Order: sequence, then C-alpha cells, then structure tokens
Amino acid sequence: GAVVSQHPSRVICKSGTSVKIECRSLDFQATTMFWYRQFPKQSLMLMATSNEGSKATYEQGVEKDKFLINHASLTLSTLTVTSAHPEDSSFYICSAVRGSLNYGYTFGSGTRLTVV
Amino acid sequence: AQKITQTQPGMFVQEKEAVTLDCTYDTSDPSYGLFWYKQPSSGEMIFLIYQGSYDQQNATEGRYSLNFQKARKSANLVISASQLGDSAMYFCAMRESQAGTALIFGKGTTLSVSS
Repeated sequence: GAVVSQHPSRVICKSGTSVKIECRSLDFQATTMFWYRQFPKQSLMLMATSNEGSKATYEQGVEKDKFLINHASLTLSTLTVTSAHPEDSSFYICSAVRGSLNYGYTFGSGTRLTVV
Repeated sequence: AQKITQTQPGMFVQEKEAVTLDCTYDTSDPSYGLFWYKQPSSGEMIFLIYQGSYDQQNATEGRYSLNFQKARKSANLVISASQLGDSAMYFCAMRESQAGTALIFGKGTTLSVSS
C-alpha cells in the first residue's frame, strides 16, 4: 500500500532556530501534499497545499515566511519552521495524494515539535 | 460555518457493544467524499472508511460501517463489537469537489472502550 515517511517524529529546538520536517512518498509519486497542524486534543488544521514544482498555497492566517514549504520532487515535500517560538510547538502531519484516486490520501506519522 | 461537525467530544462504550459516532457536513458541491480516520495516542492517522456522494450503498469495512443519510447531510460511523484497542480519537473528514483536494476535518470524538 501507499506509504508516506515523515521525519523526524519528535524534535526539540531552541527558540529562534529553524526546524525542517520531511515527508517522502515511498512507493508512489505524490503530485500534491498537504501540511496540517494539530494542537493537543484538537482537530487537524490545514496549513498549506504543495504541488510539485510550484509554490505552495497557504491557508488564510498561515505565515508563509514562517512556514516554508518546498515540494521539489514528486516524492519529497519539506516544511521548515523558521525562527521557531514556543507557540509553534505543535503536532505537524503531512498527507499525500496518490494520483486522482477518490480516497488516495496517505498520512505521514507526524512530527511533534517542542520549542523551548 | 463549519463544514464538518462532530458534536460528541467524548463517547464511552463497553467492550463488545456497538457505538455510533456522529458527523454532519455542509457543502453545496454535488461531488464530495466523506472519510473517517482513527487517531490513537501515537498520532498516526488510520483510514477507516470512505463514502462517495454518489455511492448508492452505505460503505462497510469489517466492523466499521458508515450510515450515510444524504438528505440530512450526515455520515455517522458505526463500530460494531467494540474492542479495547478501539479507544482513540475519531475524525470525520470531507473532500469537496474533485478528487485530490485537501481533506477538511471535524473536531473529533474521543472514544473510550472499557472492559
């Protein structure tokens, strides 16, 4: 089945530093990837949609300069949290679409970011 | 307005009993898809079941079934014969318009199964 590998699973960083999160589709080409953010006991909130070879589309209220998304190949999308602050601490999870299947959404295992 | 509404923050059920998790949705798009995911404490999103807006029959996957009432815009998840391992957060999600667009999630329901 379709697998999306997300790394790291957990990261602790100091305030002011940047953190990069990677999502790789292992056995399929993901033309589109979605990045979500989830606070404890809350829903998944869509942050941005990334398409291979083009700029990401950010949801309203998401700072594009803070959350840099790069989708340089059909199997890799990265989210970089720049100049991280404690309020950026959250669970980040990616999702890749396999072609145009109606239900071809595969999720990464998520990254728990803690900014100290 | 919320696109996906899950009104039950928490549900409690005993092992071997059936439980229904509610989900209502709001869309004017005639083509849409409805999903249910399970999220255990580890955080991974586990796909459970899918229902397309044009599907005539309710979807079923093992112990999971989706009670799709299109006119009422509801897509309730029914879990039969609950198991301790079913304890988790459950999310209802919708994909509007064409396939491949982002899923929109409800707020989730925490299910606790006791022995």
